[in-house]
Parts: sequence; structure tokens; C-alpha cells
Amino acid sequence: DQQVKQNSPSLSVQEGRISILNCDYTNSMFDYFLWYKKYPAEGPTFLISISSIKDKNEDGRFTVFLNKSAKHLSLHIVPSQPGDSAVYFCAASGWNTGNQFYFGTGTSLTVIP
Amino acid sequence: EPEVTQTPSHQVTQMGQEVILRCVPISNHLYFYWYRQILGQKVEFLVSFYNNEISEKSEIFDDQFSVERPDGSNFTLKIRSTKLEDSAMYFCASSEMGQVNQPQHFGDGTRLSIL
Repeated sequence: DQQVKQNSPSLSVQEGRISILNCDYTNSMFDYFLWYKKYPAEGPTFLISISSIKDKNEDGRFTVFLNKSAKHLSLHIVPSQPGDSAVYFCAASGWNTGNQFYFGTGTSLTVIP
Repeated sequence: EPEVTQTPSHQVTQMGQEVILRCVPISNHLYFYWYRQILGQKVEFLVSFYNNEISEKSEIFDDQFSVERPDGSNFTLKIRSTKLEDSAMYFCASSEMGQVNQPQHFGDGTRLSIL
């Protein structure tokens, strides 16, 4: 039951460059999407969200893009910093999924100084 | 910044034993959740809790699992008779409201190892 997929388990980017993390979903009823960041030995930390009425949400260096027709969202980090190195999880929910979020398997981002 | 706290950080238990994982949600939050992450797999929803009762649960949350809010601050997950496959990271989360467009805030997790 992979309703949310992150097909890239890892990504390496040079410091200062753009990091692009991708996420695909299958449930067309999803209408709220989040990105969480997770450091080792810590829980997921909320990073940024987007609702389906928008196609872009920006917060500082982080921008999330939503393409509803393609059921695809992406997280852009620019410029990338070494402290951004972490596992990034995409999560989704919808009015028919109650309060639970469905998570992707995560993408491990390494920003190389 | 207020945070969700979980204890213990690591729990080692013999198979068949009962285990209780504890969480203190953010104080003004009303909705509480448990998720688990088996090593190498995705984070999976277990249960949500509001107004002293379960509001939703997944297929994973079978009769061996229970949740409780024994006092005004703690939220616990009990596994009655642990199995090897219960070994995972268990994350507690809370949110201010239960609306779908509210982020959930997670604790650092309890690593449960069943021997």
C-alpha cells in the first residue's frame, strides 16, 4: 500500500547548489502535503506544507511545488547548506483519510561542503 | 519551542512481555498519535486519540495494542504480548487540532527491540 512514494533513497548535492527532492502519490483524494526533515536519533520535524488549492509554497530557502495532475510534489532547497543533510519525508493526507498522514520512505540528502 | 517528549529512548524487552511506551504531547494540543517505523521502511500510522478515546486506528493496531491518557499530560502506548516483528521506532505525535491541514509534531521516538 504505497500511496506516497519517494523513489530516490539518497541524493548528494554540493553546498550552495539547489537540492530537489521528489515525491509521488497515488490517492487523488489527498489534499494536504507536508515535508518533514529527520536527523539521526530524532523524530521527524515539520518543515513546510502545501494544500491542494496552491501549486507553490515558499518559506525562506525551502519551496514546495505541487503538480496535482501529475500527482507529484517536490521540495527545493536553495542554496543547500551542510546542515540540511538529513532524511526528508514526504507525507500526505486528505479529507477521506482522517487525521492520519501517509509517509513516503524518505530521501537521505547529503550536502557536501 | 514546546516539543513532544518520549520515554524511554530505547526499550529492550523479551518476546511475550508487555511494554509501555510513554509520551508527553505538547501541552495545548488536543490530538495525539502513534506511528511506527520498522528499520528501513516507511513511517506508518497506528492510532489517533482525541477526547479520551481512539478516533482512528490502522490495521496494524490490533488487539495487542492499546492507548491511554492516564493523566493530564501523559499518553501511552501499551503492547500486551510483544512479538519479534514489533521491533521498530515508535513515534508519538500531537497536533493542536484534528483538521487535516494541521501539521503533526513528533517526538524523538522510542526504539523498541524485542529479543
